Amino acid sequence: DQQVKQNSPSLSVQEGRISILNCDYTNSMFDYFLWYKKYPAEGPTFLISISSIKDKNEDGRFTVFLNKSAKHLSLHIVPSQPGDSAVYFCAASATIQGAQKLVFGQGTRLTINP
Amino acid sequence: DTAVSQTPKYLVTQMGNDKSIKCEQNLGHDTMYWYKQDSKKFLKIMFSYNNKELIINETVPNRFSPKSPDKAHLNLHINSLELGDSAVYFCASSPLPRSSSGNTIYFGEGSWLTVV
Repeated sequence: DQQVKQNSPSLSVQEGRISILNCDYTNSMFDYFLWYKKYPAEGPTFLISISSIKDKNEDGRFTVFLNKSAKHLSLHIVPSQPGDSAVYFCAASATIQGAQKLVFGQGTRLTINP
Repeated sequence: DTAVSQTPKYLVTQMGNDKSIKCEQNLGHDTMYWYKQDSKKFLKIMFSYNNKELIINETVPNRFSPKSPDKAHLNLHINSLELGDSAVYFCASSPLPRSSSGNTIYFGEGSWLTVV
């Protein structure tokens, strides 16, 4: 039962253009949504998050959009840079007694072409 | 100065052995976690401890036993290792939740376990 889905296993974008990564979820009880970036042989690194009561959060080149009615969120990276090439994981969070249970999507491999 | 560190990074062992992976965080966080990334690359939570108390325990075999001697450490012991235990195990930690931005979880670099 995959509660968080990233339907695109890979995405290739030209340097300087916009990268859009998508994520769908099924459980309405999640209270936060997060994006993590992962390089090979490293742990996931936090990128940006959004509360379930918001519809947009922006941090520099990264913007996350949340559409609660569609249970969909997306990460926009603009302009894309070669260093953005990595695997991006979408995660949905439920807080349980102070601990945060993250449910991850299966990841999207982003490649930025020079 | 690594925030969440886990050892060993690579571990190759035979079926039936017992092994441990250690994790330490120097961020002063109260909550620590173990996540597993399987061969299909799915990252799934296994356990969570909040100030040494077990909070989350997903459907993980009893052969896996977390131990938290203090809130800065969360070790993972695995008994009678099986081939299917081969995976990357990530330790993580987080501070108490903040209403403004939720709870950022910080991950270690992972421990690659191969059971042969």
